[in-house]
Amino acid sequence: KAGVTQTPRYLIKTRGQQVTLSCSPISGHRSVSWYQQTPGQGLQFLFEYFSETQRNKGNFPGRFSGRQFSNSRSEMNVSTLELGDSALYLCASSLNGYEQYFGPGTRLTVT
Amino acid sequence: GESVGLHLPTLSVQEGDNSIINCAYSNSASDYFIWYKQESGKGPQFIIDIRSNMDKRQGQRVTVLLNKTVKHLSLQIAATQPGDSAVYFCAENNQGGKLIFGQGTELSVKP
Repeated sequence: KAGVTQTPRYLIKTRGQQVTLSCSPISGHRSVSWYQQTPGQGLQFLFEYFSETQRNKGNFPGRFSGRQFSNSRSEMNVSTLELGDSALYLCASSLNGYEQYFGPGTRLTVT
Repeated sequence: GESVGLHLPTLSVQEGDNSIINCAYSNSASDYFIWYKQESGKGPQFIIDIRSNMDKRQGQRVTVLLNKTVKHLSLQIAATQPGDSAVYFCAENNQGGKLIFGQGTELSVKP
């Protein structure tokens, strides 16, 4: 089985811009969770989508949003980028939210 | 400017020795736990999981122990190899797709 894929792998954006990241889960997995990883805060949960519905949400501002399509692929969007949004963004897929398998991540740098 | 990162605990072991990595979790209602290994530049890799109705689970060269009384998890790696060098995270789950991660432990294996 192919693993979780994320695109793009690297992004450089300017403050104030917006960005969209994409995640393709393992075939058959219906849950996609997104995480932000920074040296200062570690791994933090952003949100989870299951069957196109947001099922769980972390403590991030409304600038962070996501969606899931009928084929389970998911996107997350960050609007009005801030320097502090520079991070590794990871998505993880699972059948039901428990046994989560991670993709390689998207490294976002905001300048 | 300068960034302040989490100061990760470090465990240094000799090749061939056994390693024990510890983790305290926060929520007594958590019913599922996972250990991940993360190498530099990669996403977290699933190692082993355990449900709260178990005290111990074994995999290939790895064993996870769960002590619910003191909310403690440990990961034991037998015959540690240089390829085991990485950061290890424990994660707890009590809401389906939302994992709460520990700060991580850096394992360094000396050949």
